[in-house]
Amino acid sequence: QVQLVQSGAEVKKPGSSVKVSCKASGGTFSSYAISWVRQAPGQGLEWMGGIIPIFGTANYAQKFQGRVTITADKSTSTAYMELSSLRSEDTAVYYCARALGGITIFGTPFDYWGQGTLVTVSS
Amino acid sequence: SYVLTQPPAVSVAPGETARTTCGGYNIGDKSVHWYQQKPGQAPVLVIYNDRDRPSGTPDRFSGSNSGNTATLTISRVEAGDEADYYCQVYDSGGEVFGGGTKLTVL
Repeated sequence: QVQLVQSGAEVKKPGSSVKVSCKASGGTFSSYAISWVRQAPGQGLEWMGGIIPIFGTANYAQKFQGRVTITADKSTSTAYMELSSLRSEDTAVYYCARALGGITIFGTPFDYWGQGTLVTVSS
Repeated sequence: SYVLTQPPAVSVAPGETARTTCGGYNIGDKSVHWYQQKPGQAPVLVIYNDRDRPSGTPDRFSGSNSGNTATLTISRVEAGDEADYYCQVYDSGGEVFGGGTKLTVL
């Protein structure tokens, strides 16, 4: 059974950075793209970007270009999402999600999700 | 940027049929995926590629997509179906989600 286990909650100051991890088990990590989706309190889902671990190539939503970096470590089956220049509006639950379609970031649904990581940005 | 419009709320009595929509320009030309999200939990994929069901999704759940509207239909609604439902498509630049619909079972 595929599982995505994310790192714990974070509290950050405005202007700082946060790095969230997502460790996969039970499947072939490199053969599936991993995306990051966030959800602000009481709000909907927002796609941030994704990575294909076997190639190491990442793509980002235009809104987050220059502020987000998604990486993957094949040796530990772990994906990472780093968001910089944090502001209060970045307070949200951040999810990693696996692409059902395999090695494609785009146009694929997400069949497995992490449990979510709450990032709170507050002075 | 591409916009998906979902009604904020839908309510239905147990045993009845619930339908929720996802509107977008020529959405019928895209593949639509649907997620169910219960409070405090991660989303769960219930329908993908307009009408396919992952293993584990009851056959009470079905989807359709044509023109400018995609529809998620839940037949014989149960109390456990109460949740937020989100649609998703791909548009140039990335994945797009609708704002979500809260399904209330009366």
